[in-house]
Amino acid sequence: DTAVSQTPKYLVTQMGNDKSIKCEQNLGHDTMYWYKQDSKKFLKIMFSYNNKELIINETVPNRFSPKSPDKAHLNLHINSLELGDSAVYFCASSQGDGGNTEAFFGQGTRLTVV
Amino acid sequence: AQTVTQSQPEMSVQEAETVTLSCTYDTSESNYYLFWYKQPPSRQMILVIRQEAYKQQNATENRFSVNFQKAAKSFSLKISDSQLGDTAMYFCAFMKNGDNDMRFGAGTRLTVKP
Repeated sequence: DTAVSQTPKYLVTQMGNDKSIKCEQNLGHDTMYWYKQDSKKFLKIMFSYNNKELIINETVPNRFSPKSPDKAHLNLHINSLELGDSAVYFCASSQGDGGNTEAFFGQGTRLTVV
Repeated sequence: AQTVTQSQPEMSVQEAETVTLSCTYDTSESNYYLFWYKQPPSRQMILVIRQEAYKQQNATENRFSVNFQKAAKSFSLKISDSQLGDTAMYFCAFMKNGDNDMRFGAGTRLTVKP
């Protein structure tokens, strides 16, 4: 069983479109994250949710809106996609008590905006 | 804010030899956690090793060990008996205790040569 699963794995779309990436974890963790990995492999945190509440919201355009319907899911919706949004997006989860366990990552979603 | 620095963008090592990847970090916290993650070409992020800052003993996991120097804020990863499957990007990460924000270094691309 996959612990953290993201769908889709690959997403190619045109500029201006709206798209969503889904993430689910079956580990019973309290905290979920979205990270963006750019073309230089740099990993940057975007959002962190703890028990469905937004904890961290880095400087991310408000075209990006996370949604957590329950603590096992954290979806990422992106409006009006731009070329610069092309990246790999990783969902992750952890137990949420601050580093006592590692973060478990999904396989990533490679988003290409054309 | 915490920062994590990996000063070696790329490294290579011959199979069966030992290699050390460096990581330094900057924080005013005394209680935190440090991690090394591996990202092979498959893109999956895999935890290699974890260190609690309050533990003086260096963490080890089979062929992987760390040299944790708290005063120097240094956390290097040693890979012994390197194998071809160790070829990957390696990321150092920091998380403050009680926090939900894992910060990554820029990564080191390691190539193991036959």
